[in-house]
Amino acid sequence: AQKVTQAQTEISVVEKEDVTLDCVYETRDTTYYLFWYKQPPSGELVFLIRRNSFDEQNEISGRYSWNFQKSTSSFNFTITASQVVDSAVYFCALSEVNTGFQKLVFGTGTRLLVSP
Amino acid sequence: GAVVSQHPSWVICKSGTSVKIECRSLDFQATTMFWYRQFPKQSLMLMATSNEGSKATYEQGVEKDKFLINHASLTLSTLTVTSAHPEDSSFYICSVCREGSYNEQFFGPGTRLTVL
Repeated sequence: AQKVTQAQTEISVVEKEDVTLDCVYETRDTTYYLFWYKQPPSGELVFLIRRNSFDEQNEISGRYSWNFQKSTSSFNFTITASQVVDSAVYFCALSEVNTGFQKLVFGTGTRLLVSP
Repeated sequence: GAVVSQHPSWVICKSGTSVKIECRSLDFQATTMFWYRQFPKQSLMLMATSNEGSKATYEQGVEKDKFLINHASLTLSTLTVTSAHPEDSSFYICSVCREGSYNEQFFGPGTRLTVL
């Protein structure tokens, strides 16, 4: 069965620190997508990245970077030089080909608190 | 601009009343929409898949008679919480599926329901 684990429930850092949010997933499919979403206090989910299972290249977007390793079934997210505006709950999610990629399974989320 | 809207954004009601939440796709027609529920400090849990022109598909443990879903058009799905009770208080989020190679989901801003 598909499952997404975010072992870190809450992380507190001081502004300008780097922080890595961990995500480990389980799936029997060889074809799947992984996602990261940000949920600020307003509640609206903000899409950050989508990665398919055949693309293990790491990605960098500004201060954000993602490390996808199939060997360890992990898709970790790093924020470099964190800012107060990064404070939010971050969710990792998985969709599989056997559901037509229609069902998103979310991890339990990691609450990131960035203090000035 | 926003791809998905939800109305209302928040609602407070008395126990025993029914509440209707609308989810509208603003950018494209969607045969498939999803309804999620998120309890405070918890993850998003898929409640049901809303299919235009047919009955919704409910996830295990979700009472279909309590959470009525109507997908009357290609741009509108409604979730009605019938005879609401305090334990139904939650954040309800819809998403709209754009069919394609990976069936991308676009999330609405959510509706916060408080049942007194």
